[in-house]
Amino acid sequence: GESVGLHLPTLSVQEGDNSIINCAYSNSASDYFIWYKQESGKGPQFIIDIRSNMDKRQGQRVTVLLNKTVKHLSLQIAATQPGDSAVYFCAENISGGTSYGKLTFGQGTILTVHP
Amino acid sequence: DSGVTQTPKHLITATGQRVTLRCSPRSGDLSVYWYQQSLDQGLQFLIQYYNGEERAKGNILERFSAQQFPDLHSELNLSSLELGDSALYFCASSIGLAGRGQFFGPGTRLTVL
Repeated sequence: GESVGLHLPTLSVQEGDNSIINCAYSNSASDYFIWYKQESGKGPQFIIDIRSNMDKRQGQRVTVLLNKTVKHLSLQIAATQPGDSAVYFCAENISGGTSYGKLTFGQGTILTVHP
Repeated sequence: DSGVTQTPKHLITATGQRVTLRCSPRSGDLSVYWYQQSLDQGLQFLIQYYNGEERAKGNILERFSAQQFPDLHSELNLSSLELGDSALYFCASSIGLAGRGQFFGPGTRLTVL
């Protein structure tokens, strides 16, 4: 039968280029955001997080930008390497209330880095 | 390696059966979370435990239950299994209750035949 699944956005880049992965989050009450990288057959790997009182945070080769006005999050990867090829997920969280630690994940973006 | 361990890595069973998935959190983490990842639904939050108590519930079916033990490891029990329960099940852990800095385990791949 026909397979049904999520159709993930894809991004293809050349090794050494900078990559930008975008995410539109759903809840204006969300105040904490995380980016994860998931390689085939593995669990999501924490990359970087940001709280809503910030609009930018930098890590090693990665930068996360948060635009609360339009509910948009982006992950920038500098000098992308073949080992960066994976599915990238953004996730949001609302502190307080009854949600506690629940993360709501985006659908993911497939990043392919060509040597 | 995130420090979160999950067993078994793979599980194949038949419809109607019951299985138990096990998770050990990172040392020092008090919260354990369970997520389901399927092709059509993506990553979905199931349930959170903090220091032995249930703290948040997501779209977890009534056929599914979980608990966190005094040593902080957690088990997810899935019963009356259906074909649609086939998925990857991930455990994550964090230090606190609010969900900051969740680190994921390698997952258990469940196949229901």
